Amino acid sequence: QSALTQPASVSGSPGQSITISCTGTSSDVGSYNLVSWYQQHPGKAPKLMIYEGSKRPSGVSNRFSGSKSGNTASLTISGLQAEDEADYYCCSYAGSSTPVVFGGGTKLTVL
Amino acid sequence: QLQLQESGPGLVKPSETLSLTCTVSGGSISSSSYYWGWIRQPPGKGLEWIGSIYYSGSTYYNPSLKSRVTISVDTSKNQFSLKLSSVTAADTAVYYCARHWYVGEDNWFDPWGQGTLVTVSS
Repeated sequence: QSALTQPASVSGSPGQSITISCTGTSSDVGSYNLVSWYQQHPGKAPKLMIYEGSKRPSGVSNRFSGSKSGNTASLTISGLQAEDEADYYCCSYAGSSTPVVFGGGTKLTVL
Repeated sequence: QLQLQESGPGLVKPSETLSLTCTVSGGSISSSSYYWGWIRQPPGKGLEWIGSIYYSGSTYYNPSLKSRVTISVDTSKNQFSLKLSSVTAADTAVYYCARHWYVGEDNWFDPWGQGTLVTVSS
C-alpha cells in the first residue's frame, strides 16, 4: 500500500490560513471520512491534532480543522502562529490487510 | 494521564533481532477498543506503521514488515513488545509506541511515547 501524498512543504505568515492536502485513493481516503492528522515538532513525538476527519481532541486549538473532498483530505490552520511551525502527517485506514497508512509528511514554515 | 515509555537497546547488529518494550502507565493496557501500536521513523523521513496488538493478543501487521515482525503483550506488566528480526541499516529509526484506537475503519494514535532511537550497525 503506497503512502498517502502530501506536499513536501507549505508556508504562511503569522495570522494567515494555510491548508495541507493529503491525497489518497478510493480505497483509503476516498472511502472513509476517518483521516487523522498529527503534528510533530523537531525531536518530539507526533501529537494527534484531528481524528475521524474533523474532530479535535481535548486541548487542541480550534484554529485546526479537518475536511475531505473526494480522495483528498485537508488540514487547515487558521490564524497561523509561530508555534505551528512543525511537520504534519495524515493517516488513513486502507483496508483490512493494511489498516494504517501514513502520508509522507508536510513541513510547515511560518514566515 | 496515560503515558507510554519505550525501552530497549539503542544499538543492534545487522542480521540480529531488534527488541523493544513499551510500558504503559496511568491506565490499563486491557482497555476495550484500544489496540497498542508501534510506529517508526527513519532519520529525516516520515512515519511508518509497524503493527498493533489488542490486549487479547490479536495482532495486525504492516504487510511490508509482516515476515519479520512479532508484537506481543504482557497484561500483568502493562507492557507490550516488538521484535523485528534480520535487521539491516534500513531499520535504523526512532521507534514509537502509541495507544491505537481501532474500531471498524476508524483508527488513530494517541498518546505516543517519546520514542527511542535504534541504530543498526556492526
